Amino acid sequence: SYVLTQPPSVSEAPGKTARITCGGTNIGSKRVHWYQQKPGQAPVLVMSYDNDRPSGIPERFTGSNSGNTATLTISRVEAGDEADYYCHVWDYSSDGGVFGTGTKVSVL
Amino acid sequence: DVQLLESGGGLVQPGGSLRLSCATSGITFSSYAMTWVRQAPGKGLQWVSSISASGRDTYYADSVKGRFTISRDTSTSTVYLEMNTLRADDTALYYCAKEEGLGTPGTALDYWGQGALVTVSS
Repeated sequence: SYVLTQPPSVSEAPGKTARITCGGTNIGSKRVHWYQQKPGQAPVLVMSYDNDRPSGIPERFTGSNSGNTATLTISRVEAGDEADYYCHVWDYSSDGGVFGTGTKVSVL
Repeated sequence: DVQLLESGGGLVQPGGSLRLSCATSGITFSSYAMTWVRQAPGKGLQWVSSISASGRDTYYADSVKGRFTISRDTSTSTVYLEMNTLRADDTALYYCAKEEGLGTPGTALDYWGQGALVTVSS
C-alpha cells in the first residue's frame, strides 16, 4: 500500500518560515491535500490540489509538489499556526485514500 | 452553512456492531462523494471508507474491508457506516467528511463533522 511519510515535528520562531514535507513514491504525479488539526478540533483543509488555497486560508500558506516530495510552507509563522498537519492523497492503484503520518508544528 | 453531524457512537464489546450516521445540511447531497476518516486516541488520521455520489461505488481500507459497510440515503442527506465484528483497534473518533469534487471520491475533504467516538472494550 502507498505510504506517506512526514517528519514528526517542525519548530520555528515567530515570523520565520516553517516547511512541512510529505514523502511518497512519485507523489508528484498525485494531487496532494493538506489539513490542519488543532487539539480537540476536527481537521481543516488548508491546501488542496498541491497549491490551491481554500477561501479563508491566509496567503502565508503555500504548497508545492514534485518528484517524491510535497511541501506545505507556512511563511511568517504565528502562534495560531501551532497544530498537527496531515498530507492526503488518493491512491488510484489501490483505490483508497492515504494520509501522511502527521507533523506537529510548534512556534517557539 | 454546511453542516455534518455524526451520531451513533458509543461503547461496544469486541465482536459487536454499531452503525454511525452522518446527517448533512447546506449541500447538494446527491452531487458529492462522502468519506469516513478515523483517529485513534493520540494517533493520526486514517482513511476508512468512501462512497460515490450515486452510491454505486464504495471503497474501503484493507483493515475494515469485509467488516464495515458504507451507504447513503439521498432522501435524508445522510451517510452511514455499518461496523460489524468490531475489534479493540477500531477504537477511534470517526469523522464524516464531504469530498470537494463532484461525483467520485479522491478529491480534497473540504468539510468535516466533529466526530463520533467509538470505543470497543469488554
